[in-house]
Amino acid sequence: NAGVMQNPRHLVRRRGQEARLRCSPMKGHSHVYWYRQLPEEGLKFMVYLQKENIIDESGMPKERFSAEFPKEGPSILRIQQVVRGDSAAYFCASSPSSVNEQFFGPGTRLTVL
Amino acid sequence: AQTVTQSQPEMSVQEAETVTLSCTYDTSENNYYLFWYKQPPSRQMILVIRQEAYKQQNATENRFSVNFQKAAKSFSLKISDSQLGDTAMYFCAFHNAGNMLTFGGGTRLMVKP
Repeated sequence: NAGVMQNPRHLVRRRGQEARLRCSPMKGHSHVYWYRQLPEEGLKFMVYLQKENIIDESGMPKERFSAEFPKEGPSILRIQQVVRGDSAAYFCASSPSSVNEQFFGPGTRLTVL
Repeated sequence: AQTVTQSQPEMSVQEAETVTLSCTYDTSENNYYLFWYKQPPSRQMILVIRQEAYKQQNATENRFSVNFQKAAKSFSLKISDSQLGDTAMYFCAFHNAGNMLTFGGGTRLMVKP
């Protein structure tokens, strides 16, 4: 059973471009979580999704950020018109239910030039 | 909202010795989970140990054990017989009914030979 997969592992974008980060949860997991880790800080919750539904997006910035978890395919975290402050590591986690532990992917390191 | 505090930004320990990492949290909930995650230089988030709040017995996993003091809202991690591979960032995390994980700021642990 493969773990949580994220791609790309590293992503470089220029200011104003779009960034798309993908997350494939573990097999059998229908709950996906996105976290952001700024340098030298802990992870901060962004959004919690189940298949085709956003359950909690209280940690998402109001503008430029969006997330989806379609019926088929990976979860996508999309950042439009990236700025230097978006540079961070973005982690995805999945779980089989809302009360189980979350398993983390390896993260995507986004660098905005 | 829950908060998690790790008051030790950095710690060091000699190989084979014991070290304790501190964590305190604030919540009004009664049922929750607590976790310690390890983040080595690879940045992968690795679950070290978990504790259910309703269990009075402290969790142990081989060389890792916790001292869970519910009334004091304290959840410290003890690493016995420290090994060089234990060198990493350690994050304490709180899992509430809202499903998100709230992380502390982390403690950087250096195991010295």
